[in-house]
Amino acid sequence: GAVVSQHPSWVICKSGTSVKIECRSLDFQATTMFWYRQFPKQSLMLMATSNEGSKATYEQGVEKDKFLINHASLTLSTLTVTSAHPEDSSFYICSARSTGRSTGELFFGEGSRLTVL
Amino acid sequence: SQELEQSPQSLIVQEGKNLTINCTSSKTLYGLYWYKQKYGEGLIFLMMLQKGGEEKSHEKITAKLDEKKQQSSLHITASQPSHAGIYLCGAGEKLVFGKGTKLTVNP
Repeated sequence: GAVVSQHPSWVICKSGTSVKIECRSLDFQATTMFWYRQFPKQSLMLMATSNEGSKATYEQGVEKDKFLINHASLTLSTLTVTSAHPEDSSFYICSARSTGRSTGELFFGEGSRLTVL
Repeated sequence: SQELEQSPQSLIVQEGKNLTINCTSSKTLYGLYWYKQKYGEGLIFLMMLQKGGEEKSHEKITAKLDEKKQQSSLHITASQPSHAGIYLCGAGEKLVFGKGTKLTVNP
């Protein structure tokens, strides 16, 4: 089946640094990718919708300048956490839907655990 | 915006028992997804329901969609320890999730 890969799977960084997380669709093209955040023992919270070739759409309360999203190709979206702080520590998951399909299965990455010291 | 409420929030059952998890939407459901997650890991796709009244089964897991009630249920028959995890329902274009149901199956 379709696979979505995230990298890195875990990262530890110092406060104030920026961290980039990649989300790749390995065997299909994705015009739309979604980025979620999950705090311990809580559900996934949608952060933003990443659209290939255009600006990402952010959910209410999510800072655009804090969480930079780039969807430069049909197989890659990146999330950059800028000037990370300990409160940004979380589990970040991306998902992707095949090109041209507004419905249908969403494939999820394995997630990336960010720890900011 | 659409909200999904799952019940129960957590569930502990003895191996071999049947169980049901419910997901109720604040808006009309045009489709619903069920995923399983072990905390700190990615999501495992279980089932997608697209039509009212639709019912799908995979191994010992059955999911139904009642669009009139704006609700879906996930039923596990003869539960096993391998069924343990967090079950999430999701719906909508952007796939908004419920808060999840934590299932523990005791051997």
